[in-house]
Amino acid sequence: AQSVTQPDIHITVSEGASLELRCNYSYGATPYLFWYVQSPGQGLQLLLKYFSGDTLVQGIKGFEAEFKRSQSSFNLRKPSVHWSDAAEYFCAVGRAAGNKLTFGGGTRVLVKP
Amino acid sequence: DTEVTQTPKHLVMGMTNKKSLKCEQHMGHRAMYWYKQKAKKPPELMFVYSYEKLSINESVPSRFSPECPNSSLLNLHLHALQPEDSALYLCASSQPTTGNTEAFFGQGTRLTVV
Repeated sequence: AQSVTQPDIHITVSEGASLELRCNYSYGATPYLFWYVQSPGQGLQLLLKYFSGDTLVQGIKGFEAEFKRSQSSFNLRKPSVHWSDAAEYFCAVGRAAGNKLTFGGGTRVLVKP
Repeated sequence: DTEVTQTPKHLVMGMTNKKSLKCEQHMGHRAMYWYKQKAKKPPELMFVYSYEKLSINESVPSRFSPECPNSSLLNLHLHALQPEDSALYLCASSQPTTGNTEAFFGQGTRLTVV
């Protein structure tokens, strides 16, 4: 069975500082990996995805993520955070057949002025 | 158009009421999903429709009844719900084929059962 772990429940970062969110997955085959962001009371917006190829993927809003098969990780990074980046971030893994996503527990990011 | 539209945005219902949540997409996606999200928790899959047929039911109680009238619409019929069913209900859509599982989510319906 597939599973996703986000070790950090909360992260507080100063505006302008760098951000890294951790994600570890467990999956028997090549995973399809995603990062979504959710503002309070809103739906989920896709930041980026990894299916195959280059292990460093670029997403929207200045985010990037690196797939490391040896570490079963897919960590999300942003060089300089903005106050608008305060939100809940979910890592997810999907099956190749494409019809089921399993989410990690989420990381809440707070941005200090 | 990369939107998934959910209505209503907010719904308050009594435990004896019958109501429906609606979801619509016009991206030509042939897989549609219902997720339930409790406060401070990740979304949990409830149902998956693939080519308008129910393909996954994650052991959801029968008081939740999904329906997919056509490839663009997905409904969730609610009856005799309990207060613990209060949550954000998210609809999503994607292509069901191998190689692209990117799912687009709606803004959700905030359901309160009183």
